[in-house]
Amino acid sequence: ILNVEQSPQSLHVQEGDSTNFTCSFPSSNFYALHWYRWETAKSPEALFVMTLNGDEKKKGRISATLNTKEGYSYLYIKGSQPEDSATYLCAHNNAGNMLTFGGGTRLMVKP
Amino acid sequence: DAGVTQSPTHLIKTRGQQVTLRCSPKSGHDTVSWYQQALGQGPQFIFQYYEEEERQRGNFPDRFSGHQFPNYSSELNVNALLLGDSALYLCASSSTLYEQYFGPGTRLTVT
Repeated sequence: ILNVEQSPQSLHVQEGDSTNFTCSFPSSNFYALHWYRWETAKSPEALFVMTLNGDEKKKGRISATLNTKEGYSYLYIKGSQPEDSATYLCAHNNAGNMLTFGGGTRLMVKP
Repeated sequence: DAGVTQSPTHLIKTRGQQVTLRCSPKSGHDTVSWYQQALGQGPQFIFQYYEEEERQRGNFPDRFSGHQFPNYSSELNVNALLLGDSALYLCASSSTLYEQYFGPGTRLTVT
């Protein structure tokens, strides 16, 4: 059974703070790691798909890194804004396109 | 271009009843996956359909079944509903191994 874990479960930050979350996964049978941003009552939005050890991806103020040898990925948000408030999900892709999700990190950014 | 759509948005059923949820994939996508998200947890993979056949299945009982139509749309059926089946059901569509686009989900409440 594949176990994907995310920490912290929830996070409260002030507007302008930078923050980061962790996703850990078993390093065996790795194919890809997905990050999603999920706002309440909306569809999960794909942020990044990462496949290679050492991958770094960036989208505006959000970036992510991947370490497949030790089984972790970090998501960074620089200068958090209230509109960044959402649940951030990571998921392991087993090459069959079956995603195994972590429990998510719920971010709340206070103005 | 419409993204992934799901219907209905919300549904209330009684224990023992049967329910059918529907999903239309993003244009150009031929693979549909279904996920169940219970409160406080990450989405869990139910099954995936490709070329009108179930290609992968997660750890869900046979009460959960599905179908994919020639136009790639899909249905999720749950028989003999239990209180524990109350959850958000997400549909995701894809055309490659690296992407999955999610719909907004169907909220099922079993009373």
